[in-house]
Amino acid sequence: DGGITQSPKYLFRKEGQNVTLSCEQNLNHDAMYWYRQDPGQGLRLIYYSQIVNDFQKGDIAEGYSVSREKKESFPLTVTSAQKNPTAFYLCASRGEIPGQGNYGYTFGSGTRLTVV
Amino acid sequence: LAKTTQPISMDSYEGQEVNITCSHNNIATNDYITWYQQFPSQGPRFIIQGYKTKVTNEVASLFIPADRKSSTLSLPRVSLSDTAVYYCLVGDRMDSSYKLIFGSGTRLLVRP
Repeated sequence: DGGITQSPKYLFRKEGQNVTLSCEQNLNHDAMYWYRQDPGQGLRLIYYSQIVNDFQKGDIAEGYSVSREKKESFPLTVTSAQKNPTAFYLCASRGEIPGQGNYGYTFGSGTRLTVV
Repeated sequence: LAKTTQPISMDSYEGQEVNITCSHNNIATNDYITWYQQFPSQGPRFIIQGYKTKVTNEVASLFIPADRKSSTLSLPRVSLSDTAVYYCLVGDRMDSSYKLIFGSGTRLLVRP
């Protein structure tokens, strides 16, 4: 089945450490997105990529970096410059929604990052 | 991007019909209305999408009046498992630069 796979599901980061969150899709979608969600809040856009080798900052890009070397992959690195990284991170792609016949966003199951 | 307004929370009981209304006064001609459902610690899941009038699928109906300035998600005969956050989003689904903007959504609590 087509979809988006995020890994790991849980991640612990020490102070001053960089960590990378994985996002892979087999939907053949061009556009991919990273969102951050804090408890009880909506989603906030970190970075997005409309096509391979291109990406744009979202609303809260400081302390994060991304790459888009392959259509299927859009990894997010949380750097030591991100002062409050503890959150739930969601990756999404945009295109035809599997099994729906509509056009929109498909989300992964998320990675919960905790600073220890 | 069209701003949306929806109730922060709603309560219901099992077996009832739940209607969640979303206001989007500045919706543009090319904009579609899409609803997502999110359970705790999971990614949002597509529920339904529409442009005008009424759309129905196996889980919900979406009612859109002629002026398209609002929409209503209708969940028939809810169960406990429908307890979740529901997001209403409006935008041009074919615009390659379009970025979803999520508000806080509507927290639906279904009681036994």
